[in-house]
Amino acid sequence: DAKTTQPPSMDCAEGRAANLPCNHSTISGNEYVYWYRQIHSQGPQYIIHGLKNNETNEMASLIITEDRKSSTLILPHATLRDTAVYYCIVRAGSNSGYALNFGKGTSLLVTP
Amino acid sequence: GAVVSQHPSRVICKSGTSVKIECRSLDFQATTMFWYRQFPKQSLMLMATSNEGSKATYEQGVEKDKFLINHASLTLSTLTVTSAHPEDSSFYICSASPPRQEVNEKLFFGSGTQLSVL
Repeated sequence: DAKTTQPPSMDCAEGRAANLPCNHSTISGNEYVYWYRQIHSQGPQYIIHGLKNNETNEMASLIITEDRKSSTLILPHATLRDTAVYYCIVRAGSNSGYALNFGKGTSLLVTP
Repeated sequence: GAVVSQHPSRVICKSGTSVKIECRSLDFQATTMFWYRQFPKQSLMLMATSNEGSKATYEQGVEKDKFLINHASLTLSTLTVTSAHPEDSSFYICSASPPRQEVNEKLFFGSGTQLSVL
C-alpha cells in the first residue's frame, strides 16, 4: 500500500472548520483513500473514503487532488468531541487481504 | 454502520496465564476479521488476518503459537494470548468486513480490549 504523510498534530477552535491534510504521492490507480479516527481508548471509527472524486457524508468531506497525490479531510464545524487521532490510509489488496495499515495519524485538538 | 462487538473491554491477568478475547460481527457475516495491537502513544499494528474455517495469516514478527486465533464461524473470531507476560500488555482491537472483501469495502472495528499482565 502507498505510504501516507500527515502532520503529527493540529489545533482547531470549536465551531470552525478543521482541515486535515494527507500526502500520498505514491498512490496507484486502484488504491482508495480512507479516513478513520480514534478517540482515546476506543476502536477506530470510519469517517469517509474515496477514489478520485470528492466525497461528502454526514461526518465530513473528502477533497482529493486531481493527481490524487494528496487529500484533505474537512470537518465543517468542529466540536470538542472531534478531538481524536485522525488516520489517512491508502488501501489496496495485499497478502493480508484488505487490511488497513495505520500510520501515525494526526492528533487533532479542538479547543473551546 | 455495521456493529463489531469485542469482549472483554478490559482484563487484568497474572503472568503465565492465558486470556481469550472475542470479536463478533453482530449484523453481518464476516469471512475475514483482522486483529490489531496498539501500544501506548503508538499506532495500530496489524497482527493477523483471520479467515473463517482456515488458519490465520500472521504478520512478520507475530508469534502464532503465542497469539492463537480461531475463526470458527462467520460471526465470531477469538484471540487467545497464551502464557501472557507483562510485555504483552497492550490494547487489542479486532475489525471485520462484510464478505465481498473488495478494496473499497469499509472495515468496522471493535471497541478494543485493554490487556494488563501483572
